[in-house]
Amino acid sequence: DGGITQSPKYLFRKEGQNVTLSCEQNLNHDAMYWYRQDPGQGLRLIYYSQIVNDFQKGDIAEGYSVSREKKESFPLTVTSAQKNPTAFYLCASSMRDYSYNEQFFGPGTRLTVL
Amino acid sequence: QQQVKQSPQSLIVQKGGISIINCAYENTAFDYFPWYQQFPGKGPALLIAIRPDVSEKKEGRFTISFNKSAKQFSLHIMDSQPGDSATYFCAASMGSGAGSYQLTFGKGTKLSVIP
Repeated sequence: DGGITQSPKYLFRKEGQNVTLSCEQNLNHDAMYWYRQDPGQGLRLIYYSQIVNDFQKGDIAEGYSVSREKKESFPLTVTSAQKNPTAFYLCASSMRDYSYNEQFFGPGTRLTVL
Repeated sequence: QQQVKQSPQSLIVQKGGISIINCAYENTAFDYFPWYQQFPGKGPALLIAIRPDVSEKKEGRFTISFNKSAKQFSLHIMDSQPGDSATYFCAASMGSGAGSYQLTFGKGTKLSVIP
């Protein structure tokens, strides 16, 4: 089955630690995205990548980093510089050449800072 | 600056009733308006989408109404069912060209359909 997988489903971090969230897709999509979701805040874009080895900051990139070494994978690192990292993190992908941007979402990772 | 404003924040509807969620946008360059449905603990899924060349799009019990001059669009759920209980997000993007990869989301509406 084609889709987007995120792991782990739940993640606990101690203050001062970096953690990496995994996102893999087998939809052959060129573009991938990371969003953060907080209660009552909707989805806010952290980073996005339109092509391998290239990515751009979204609205709330501070304290996060990404890499895009493979088309299928777009891992997100939450660094110790992110002051309030507890949130639900969603990865998405879309076809780059699709003129109207249908994004497909993964099941999410819930990160909690202890 | 929030570019897509969604209301209400929460909505309670009786089974069989009509659920209506409204969104307003500011950026006149937006030309693609999807609605996403999200169940608790899951990722959002595309429900229905519209482009501004039409004023209404219907898929089953779900209808988007679009008013370009007012820069508003809304989701209507007819014959609402308990299984429709979820959070709904409107979004907007420029369909092509620079920035077309970015969806701007509203803050969401939590819909509860009661028996």
